[in-house]
Amino acid sequence: DGGITQSPKYLFRKEGQNVTLSCEQNLNHDAMYWYRQDPGQGLRLIYYSQIVNDFQKGDIAEGYSVSREKKESFPLTVTSAQKNPTAFYLCASSLNRDRSYEQYFGPGTRLTVT
Amino acid sequence: ELKVEQNPLFLSMQEGKNYTIYCNYSTTSDRLYWYRQDPGKSLESLFVLLSNGAVKQEGRLMASLDTKARLSTLHITAAVHDLSATYFCAVGPTGANSKLTFGKGITLSVRP
Repeated sequence: DGGITQSPKYLFRKEGQNVTLSCEQNLNHDAMYWYRQDPGQGLRLIYYSQIVNDFQKGDIAEGYSVSREKKESFPLTVTSAQKNPTAFYLCASSLNRDRSYEQYFGPGTRLTVT
Repeated sequence: ELKVEQNPLFLSMQEGKNYTIYCNYSTTSDRLYWYRQDPGKSLESLFVLLSNGAVKQEGRLMASLDTKARLSTLHITAAVHDLSATYFCAVGPTGANSKLTFGKGITLSVRP
């Protein structure tokens, strides 16, 4: 089955530790995205990547880093510089060819930092 | 900068009645997407609207797009409890990048 996987589903970390969230897709999509969602809020774009080895900052990139070494994978590192990292993190991908820009979302990772 | 507004942000619906929610946006675009999010879950794609006048229907939900008015509506027919969720619209992309701009979401709650 094609889809997007995120792991782990729940993640607990102590303040001051970096943590990496995994996102993998087997949809052969060109673009991938990371969003953050706080309780009762909408989505905020952290980083996105339209092709391998290239990525752009979104609206709230500070305290986060990404890499896109393979088309299928777009891991997000939440660094200790991120002041309020506790949130629900969603990864998405889109084909970006033939006018197809619909984003497909993974199941999300809920990060709690104490 | 593209802005997407959804209203109302919360809607309490009575079972069996019809309702309409709105998504309007500030910049010309002919692509609009509706997503559904259940509490604690991810976003699920509902509708993709790709041209002026596009209309899509799935069960009790019908979405339409008026690109001249920069407005999409999501019409709910005979609301049922299963439709309780948060509904996001997204517009784009605009410009050279592939970003979509999301609205803040409308939370629908269906009461007996």
